[in-house]
Amino acid sequence: GQQVMQIPQYQHVQEGEDFTTYCNSSTTLSNIQWYKQRPGGHPVFLIQLVKSGEVKKQKRLTFQFGEAKKNSSLHITATQTTDVGTYFCVRIQGAQKLVFGQGTRLTINP
Amino acid sequence: EPEVTQTPSHQVTQMGQEVILRCVPISNHLYFYWYRQILGQKVEFLVSFYNNEISEKSEIFDDQFSVERPDGSNFTLKIRSTKLEDSAMYFCASSEANEQFFGPGTRLTVL
Repeated sequence: GQQVMQIPQYQHVQEGEDFTTYCNSSTTLSNIQWYKQRPGGHPVFLIQLVKSGEVKKQKRLTFQFGEAKKNSSLHITATQTTDVGTYFCVRIQGAQKLVFGQGTRLTINP
Repeated sequence: EPEVTQTPSHQVTQMGQEVILRCVPISNHLYFYWYRQILGQKVEFLVSFYNNEISEKSEIFDDQFSVERPDGSNFTLKIRSTKLEDSAMYFCASSEANEQFFGPGTRLTVL
């Protein structure tokens, strides 16, 4: 099946710094979703990207889907301690099966 | 705001015992799922359920696993004879479209 790699695996930043996580696929994706999981919590849906080159913003979060639909990124501007958690890029396989990447674990020094 | 609930929050069992994990999906959702997450690892799909039958299952979901929607509100995952490697967090999720809503999870520990 399609392999989706996410980098980096871990990222530690100072509060106020920016953060970016990248998701790369060996094949074209029909769409991609991003989920956030707080420490000890459950995955929470953030967004779905469908169109080539799509860019969506949610406050300090910016999501991009590559022109070739093989990569995606999540950028957080001016991180806050509430941003701590693991960010997963997720592809949908078949009708509804979510296939999670390994995730990027973000920790923040206040 | 509607949410998915799961019980129990923690379950400790002996190897070989049967466990039933319970979930109450969001009421107007039609699609239901089980996922698991071994400590420190990624979330893995187990099974999806729609219209009272399994629509898809992973290779993890072998004959020891079963799902049921016994009434109009509950959705259960049964593991017939637990193994040590079944120890994980089990998440139930439901959806009516693309966004899946996850419950808080049941932490299963097999001794």
